[in-house]
Amino acid sequence: EAGVAQSPRYKIIEKRQSVAFWCNPISGHATLYWYQQILGQGPKLLIQFQNNGVVDDSQLPKDRFSAERLKGVDSTLKIQPAKLEDSAVYLCASSPRYSGGEIKQYFGPGTRLTVT
Amino acid sequence: AQSVTQLGSHVSVSEGALVLLRCNYSSSVPPYLFWYVQYPNQGLQLLLKYTSAATLVKGINGFEAEFKKSETSFHLTKPSAHMSDAAEYFCAVSGTNFGNEKLTFGTGTRLTIIP
Repeated sequence: EAGVAQSPRYKIIEKRQSVAFWCNPISGHATLYWYQQILGQGPKLLIQFQNNGVVDDSQLPKDRFSAERLKGVDSTLKIQPAKLEDSAVYLCASSPRYSGGEIKQYFGPGTRLTVT
Repeated sequence: AQSVTQLGSHVSVSEGALVLLRCNYSSSVPPYLFWYVQYPNQGLQLLLKYTSAATLVKGINGFEAEFKKSETSFHLTKPSAHMSDAAEYFCAVSGTNFGNEKLTFGTGTRLTIIP
């Protein structure tokens, strides 16, 4: 089966500019996650969708970050305006509908964002 | 809140030697635990997971980990290191019920294999 797709793979922008990342999860996966991985750190969950509803966005900086998952399939993560500290790899992951213990997240290759 | 601590941000072992990467967890309830591997410029790949069945978990590429509740540990081991094992390894913890399955990752351990 095809994996989680993300684009672009790399993006360089100046601070205060806007940027958007796109994720296409594995077909049929109900849950979609966006993680931020800053260099030297582990990934940190930004937002979790179940179908097109938000389950957890407690760590999403809502003053500048937004995400949507229209029709419960693809998702877009936007940063507006970007700050230097937003430089990171943004990982998208998806998992099948929760089935009582078999929780496995499949990760995409990530988008590496550099803010100058 | 759940968390994991990985001891040692960098570990170097000789090819053919034992690999031991340490992970300790903190959780008020029995958690699920995971080890992921990340190769350069690639996404995360699941090595193995503990979901409250057998405490000794075998994963891909010859890795295994043992869940020790008394030590709150979930260390990753491999008897004989291979050059292809050079990568970043992340330990992660999650809850066990719907709505609490988000992964909380450690800071990672970079494994270097010495020829």
